[in-house]
Amino acid sequence: DVQLLESGGGLVQPGGSVRLSCAASGFTFSVYAMNWVRQAPGKGLEWVSGVSGSGGRTYYADSVKGRFTISRDNPMNTLYLEMNSLRADDTALYYCAKDRIGGSYYSPGGPLHIWGQGTMVTVSS
Amino acid sequence: AIQMTQSPSSLSASVGDSVTITCRASQGIRNDLGWYQQKPGKAPKLLIYTASTLESGVPSRFSGSGSDTDFTLTITSLQPEDFATYYCLQDYLYPRTFGQGTKVEIK
Repeated sequence: DVQLLESGGGLVQPGGSVRLSCAASGFTFSVYAMNWVRQAPGKGLEWVSGVSGSGGRTYYADSVKGRFTISRDNPMNTLYLEMNSLRADDTALYYCAKDRIGGSYYSPGGPLHIWGQGTMVTVSS
Repeated sequence: AIQMTQSPSSLSASVGDSVTITCRASQGIRNDLGWYQQKPGKAPKLLIYTASTLESGVPSRFSGSGSDTDFTLTITSLQPEDFATYYCLQDYLYPRTFGQGTKVEIK
């Protein structure tokens, strides 16, 4: 079965940093672009970042550009999101999600068809 | 970034009703649009991709249509398990962008 399992969330002070991880299994990880999507409490979904299968191309929402860094370790089948200069409005449940179509590089590889269960990040003093 | 305007933000309907949700893109996105269902406390679930293709295992009462800038999700004969929040997501260009969501509630 294809599975994604996020970890690394918790309580972080404003201005602080945290690194999220997403462990993938059940598919050839290096073939597929991966994404982070977040959802603030009671709010809608917001796409945060994406990375190509090789890790050579990364993409960000304007709201996190310059503060968040997406990366991946293909031999370890793991996706990461390094989050710096955290603000209260970064408080959210963070999901990792897999592109449906493999091999994409400059544009999204179709819909997000597999999602993890999410890890909660709370930014508060 | 492409803006996705989804409407309505909420609607009330009864079991057996048909409902339609719309999504409008700020520029043409061909048919690179998906629809997702999210229930409280759960991750989103893909229902439809490329505007009108039903994901495997999704009931046929869900259907999607549209291209370029205007898209619709229709649910015919609403079932109790369909009461949820629905989102559109464009996958034409990065950054991907979601619609604001439509909460379908029981009347």
